[in-house]
Amino acid sequence: DAGVIQSPRHEVTEMGQEVTLRCKPISGHDYLFWYRQTMMRGLELLIYFNNNVPIDDSGMPEDRFSAKMPNASFSTLKIQPSEPRDSAVYFCASSLRARQETQYFGPGTRLLVL
Amino acid sequence: SQQGEEDPQALSIQEGENATMNCSYKTSINNLQWYRQNSGRGLVHLILIRSNEREKHSGRLRVTLDTSKKSSSLLITASRAADTASYFCATVPLGGFKTIFGAGTRLFVKA
Repeated sequence: DAGVIQSPRHEVTEMGQEVTLRCKPISGHDYLFWYRQTMMRGLELLIYFNNNVPIDDSGMPEDRFSAKMPNASFSTLKIQPSEPRDSAVYFCASSLRARQETQYFGPGTRLLVL
Repeated sequence: SQQGEEDPQALSIQEGENATMNCSYKTSINNLQWYRQNSGRGLVHLILIRSNEREKHSGRLRVTLDTSKKSSSLLITASRAADTASYFCATVPLGGFKTIFGAGTRLFVKA
């Protein structure tokens, strides 16, 4: 298996623009997680899905952030409009079965909002 | 506040030496996991220890768990330069839903 795939790997955009991050989880994994990592706040869970259904989005910073999982092999995290404080590395991870088991992380998307 | 907090924040050792990192957490847990993150990469799962286990080994890694003290340690024996990375503990509180990662320990192994 290719592992969790994320695109793009790097994104530079200007404040106010829409940003869409993409993730393909490992085939057969039931759980998908979106994290954000910054020096100041460390690794934060934004939202997670189980069988394509959002279970907990309490970590989503504000209404500018939205996430979807239209099918078992694809998820998006959208920021609209983007702000400089959204600059971070965004990781997608997936896990098999229970939420408390091993998570497999993608390589991340490094986002810079100017 | 963080559920899992690693100690030390940073550690620098010589190749061949052992590295010990500690993690403390606040609430009861089902299991505790350790992950490694190389610079510019995603996290990689190293080992999972369940709450009813006290010690677990995987290659050069040894993890202990003391639920009475709510702490865990990760020992890397005979360290190599390739072990240079950040190491994170991760917990899910008993009855909880979210995996919570600590701030991490930055390990630097000098060749």
